Amino acid sequence: QVHLVESGGGVVQPGRSLRLSCAASGFIFTNYGIHWVRQASGKGLEWVAAISADGNDEFYADSVKGRFLISRDSSKNTVYLQLNSLRTEDTSVYYCARDWGTLFDYWGQGTLVSVSS
Amino acid sequence: QSALTQPPSASGSPGQSVTISCTGTSSDIGAYNYVSWYQQDPGKAPKLIIYEVTKRPSGVPDRFSASKSGNTASLTVSGLQAEDEADYYCSSHAGSTRVFGGGTRLTV
Repeated sequence: QVHLVESGGGVVQPGRSLRLSCAASGFIFTNYGIHWVRQASGKGLEWVAAISADGNDEFYADSVKGRFLISRDSSKNTVYLQLNSLRTEDTSVYYCARDWGTLFDYWGQGTLVSVSS
Repeated sequence: QSALTQPPSASGSPGQSVTISCTGTSSDIGAYNYVSWYQQDPGKAPKLIIYEVTKRPSGVPDRFSASKSGNTASLTVSGLQAEDEADYYCSSHAGSTRVFGGGTRLTV
């Protein structure tokens, strides 16, 4: 069955960097785009970034454009989200989700990023 | 990339029906028939319950239905059950990006 497992979260100081991973299994990785969605504690979902199935196209929310970078490694069935120049407002649980054209059909359980001095 | 607008809360008694609205713009909800709805229990990942405005994935009870008119989408939960108590989020395509609503806490 489909599994998405996020990792790499932690506590980091403002201005520093962190790299999140989303390990995929149970499906043909190269057939699907992957999204990152975040959720601050007690708040709603916020779409962050996406990468196409072939890795050639990347999309970002305005709030992270120029600071975050999404990439994928087909040899490892893994999508990465590089978080640079972190701000306190980036503190959230970060989920990866599989793209099924018009929807997010499978989600991981999330990894917590806490930006604090 | 402004968030879609949902009421922060909704409530109903068991057996009743409740409708949650989701208002966007002509650049997102109004432009695409790609509205989806997600149910989220506390501490859990969201779960897809409606896609492409009105379609239900396999396993989602037919008590959940949805529609769209212009720039506003709606989710209706009929025959409310205690297990329906959760947060609900709408989502839409917005060009090459995606956008979510702020979420609605449904209390049964």
